[in-house]
Amino acid sequence: QVQLVESGGGVVQPGGSLRLSCAASGFTFSSYGMHWVRQAPGKGLEWVAFMRYDGSYKYYADSVKGRFTISRDNSKNTLYLQMNSLRAEDTAVYYCAKSSTGYSSGCLDYWGQGTLVTVSS
Amino acid sequence: QSALTQPASVSGSPGQSITISCTGTSSDVGGYNYVSWHQQHPGKAPKLMIYEVSNRPSGVSNRFSGSKSGNTASLTISGLQAEDEADYYCSSYTSSSTRVVFGGGTKVTVL
Repeated sequence: QVQLVESGGGVVQPGGSLRLSCAASGFTFSSYGMHWVRQAPGKGLEWVAFMRYDGSYKYYADSVKGRFTISRDNSKNTLYLQMNSLRAEDTAVYYCAKSSTGYSSGCLDYWGQGTLVTVSS
Repeated sequence: QSALTQPASVSGSPGQSITISCTGTSSDVGGYNYVSWHQQHPGKAPKLMIYEVSNRPSGVSNRFSGSKSGNTASLTISGLQAEDEADYYCSSYTSSSTRVVFGGGTKVTVL
């Protein structure tokens, strides 16, 4: 069965950096696009970033563009999110989610349990 | 990229039907049949309930159905049950540079 396990969350000071990982299993990771989605405490879902199955295309929300970088290692079945210049408003649970296709038009069909990122001094 | 518009809350009694709307533009909901709906219980990860406007993944109850008219998609829950009480989010592919957009979420309460 599909499993997505996020890690790397924690407490970081404003302006700091953090790298999240998402270990995938139960499907052919290299054939599917992958997303990061976040949810601030008590708020709704906010899409963050997407990477195509082969890494050839990446898309970002305007709120993180230039600060966050999505990447993947298909040999390790792992998705990453490098977060730099973190702000208080980046505080959220970060979920990785699998796309139903290799492309951005696919739906988010499986979600991980999330990892909490807290940006605070 | 603006979020898709959903009502903040919808409620119904057990056994009733409710409908949640999701309004976008011709660049997202109206332009593509790539609308999905996700259910989220408190403290849990979201779960896909409907994809490509009206398709149900394996294992999702047929009490859940989706449709679209113009720039507005809808999720209908029939035979409302206590376990349906949750937050529901729509999402859509968009032609904007971001490619994906979510709705603000709707809290469903079973009275």
